[in-house]
Amino acid sequence: DAMVIQNPRYQVTQFGKPVTLSCSQTLNHNVMYWYQQKSSQAPKLLFHYYDKDFNNEADTPDNFQSRRPNTSFCFLDIRSPGLGDAAMYLCATSRDGYEQYFGPGTRLTVT
Amino acid sequence: QKEVEQNSGPLSVPEGAIASLNCTYSDRGSQSFFWYRQYSGKSPELIMSIYSNGDKEDGRFTAQLNKASQYVSLLIRDSQPSDSATYLCAVTSTGGGNKLTFGTGTQLKVEL
Repeated sequence: DAMVIQNPRYQVTQFGKPVTLSCSQTLNHNVMYWYQQKSSQAPKLLFHYYDKDFNNEADTPDNFQSRRPNTSFCFLDIRSPGLGDAAMYLCATSRDGYEQYFGPGTRLTVT
Repeated sequence: QKEVEQNSGPLSVPEGAIASLNCTYSDRGSQSFFWYRQYSGKSPELIMSIYSNGDKEDGRFTAQLNKASQYVSLLIRDSQPSDSATYLCAVTSTGGGNKLTFGTGTQLKVEL
């Protein structure tokens, strides 16, 4: 089945220790998104790639970076995680910006 | 600021009843509208998309869109306990390329 895969599903990191979350997709979608979702809140878009074009949200902290080495993979790098970065990180994909399909998410804990 | 508003609930309905979930949005130019279901601790799952005024039915789900009133709703017929979840309304933003603006969701509880 075509799908969006996120690894790891759970990640524990220490305050200030860099962490990388990964997303892969077999849907052959050209747009990939990263969202942050905290408890009882709406998903918050961090950035997205439309093909190779990177689009950062104005309020995304510089601490968050992303890479998309090819169509299938996208990475979220958090350079120096703070306690406030503990959240569920969601990867989503779409074809040309229409319906978005989410992966299972990565739950990040910062100690 | 472009907003999507939903009643946070919880909305409680008895099993077998119709659940009605509502959403309003502020961006009059929005063209695409989506409903996602999110179980606790899980990721959002797309259940309905609607692009034109009127009703769209898929199984027990019906999405209704009224662009003039900037209102979109989701009806769930014959509600089941497995429908208990948070339902997120999402709307595309004009001038924003391919971005969705999400509401904070309505928690639905279907009681036996």
